[in-house]
Amino acid sequence: DAGVIQSPRHEVTEMGQEVTLRCKPISGHNSLFWYRQTMMRGLELLIYFNNNVPIDDSGMPEDRFSAKMPNASFSTLKIQPSEPRDSAVYFCASSPQMSANTGELFFGEGSRLTVL
Amino acid sequence: KNQVEQSPQSLIILEGKNCTLQCNYTVSPFSNLRWYKQDTGRGPVSLTIMTFSENTKSNGRYTATLDADTKQSSLHITASQLSDSASYICVVSPQGGGFKTIFGAGTRLFVKA
Repeated sequence: DAGVIQSPRHEVTEMGQEVTLRCKPISGHNSLFWYRQTMMRGLELLIYFNNNVPIDDSGMPEDRFSAKMPNASFSTLKIQPSEPRDSAVYFCASSPQMSANTGELFFGEGSRLTVL
Repeated sequence: KNQVEQSPQSLIILEGKNCTLQCNYTVSPFSNLRWYKQDTGRGPVSLTIMTFSENTKSNGRYTATLDADTKQSSLHITASQLSDSASYICVVSPQGGGFKTIFGAGTRLFVKA
């Protein structure tokens, strides 16, 4: 079975450019998460979708960040304009259940973003 | 404030040796506690899950323990292998917290030949 698929795996861009990260969750999972990981702050939840609907985006650092989930099999995280401090590894994760609060998170391989 | 703290921050051991990683949390009440393994350049993968009523859970050479009274968990790795070199992340889910799992900063383990 295919896991969570993220693209691109690596992205190097210049400050001010738009960055779009993509995620395909595991089929049948109804919850999708975007996380950011840095050495200083570890894993931080950016936004959470349930059944394609954004439930909580309180972790999105600024208005420069936006995320969409147009259907159950695709989500994007966009940064516009990008800044050097956005450099991090961005993970997408999906989960088959959340209501029981026991759902395991299945992570993708991550997208390593470097903003010069 | 709900927190999860892990120690040590990093650890170097020789192949074949055992080691124990610690996780202290202030999340209460909590629903479950998981340990994830994250290889370099990869996403985290779940190793074990324990509910508040469980004391121990094993997955091969990995054994997790939980003391809900002291709010401590440990991950014991037996007969370490080079492939155990990774970050190990303790994650606690608050009861009724839904998606708001709380991640520790992780312990970076290096296994040397």
